[in-house]
Amino acid sequence: AQSVAQPEDQVNVAEGNPLTVKCTYSVSGNPYLFWYVQYPNRGLQFLLKYITGDNLVKGSYGFEAEFNKSQTSFHLKKPSALVSDSALYFCAVSGTYKYIFGTGTRLKVLA
Amino acid sequence: DVKVTQSSRYLVKRTGEKVFLECVQDMDHENMFWYRQDPGLGLRLIYFSYDVKMKEKGDIPEGYSVSREKKERFSLILESASTNQTSMYLCASSYPTDDTDTQYFGPGTRLTVL
Repeated sequence: AQSVAQPEDQVNVAEGNPLTVKCTYSVSGNPYLFWYVQYPNRGLQFLLKYITGDNLVKGSYGFEAEFNKSQTSFHLKKPSALVSDSALYFCAVSGTYKYIFGTGTRLKVLA
Repeated sequence: DVKVTQSSRYLVKRTGEKVFLECVQDMDHENMFWYRQDPGLGLRLIYFSYDVKMKEKGDIPEGYSVSREKKERFSLILESASTNQTSMYLCASSYPTDDTDTQYFGPGTRLTVL
């Protein structure tokens, strides 16, 4: 069965510092991995996805994610955090037209 | 841009009421999905539909039903609302090429059942 884990409920980072939000996955076959962001009282917005090819995927708002097959991870990164990046982030894996979501990580960027 | 809209942002209903949540997408997507979001549990799939009048159960279909009479509209129905159905409900749609498809989400409906 496919699954996704986000081991941190919350991540705090100072503005201007690099940020990492962790995600690990378990799939049989090729993993198709996604990151979404949710701002307060809003729906989910697509950030980026990994299908195949380059292990470093670039997405919206300056975010990128690194796919690591040996560690079965797909961590979300940004070189310099902004206060406006504070939100809830979800990792997901796709299979048979369905997504399996992680439990979410709340990112708090401190000014 | 893909637009997915949901009929209400906030809804308050009483136990036992029948509740309809509506979702409309404007991108001619064939796949549509209903999720509920609860703190600490992430998003869980309730039902999805890959064509008009077609539906498939997701992971937590109990207490819910759906209707898809037109391609652009996907309705979630709570036949008899209960307090444990208080949650955020999110609708999504995607174009069905394969598992690499991006799902696009509506703004959500926060339902409170008293």
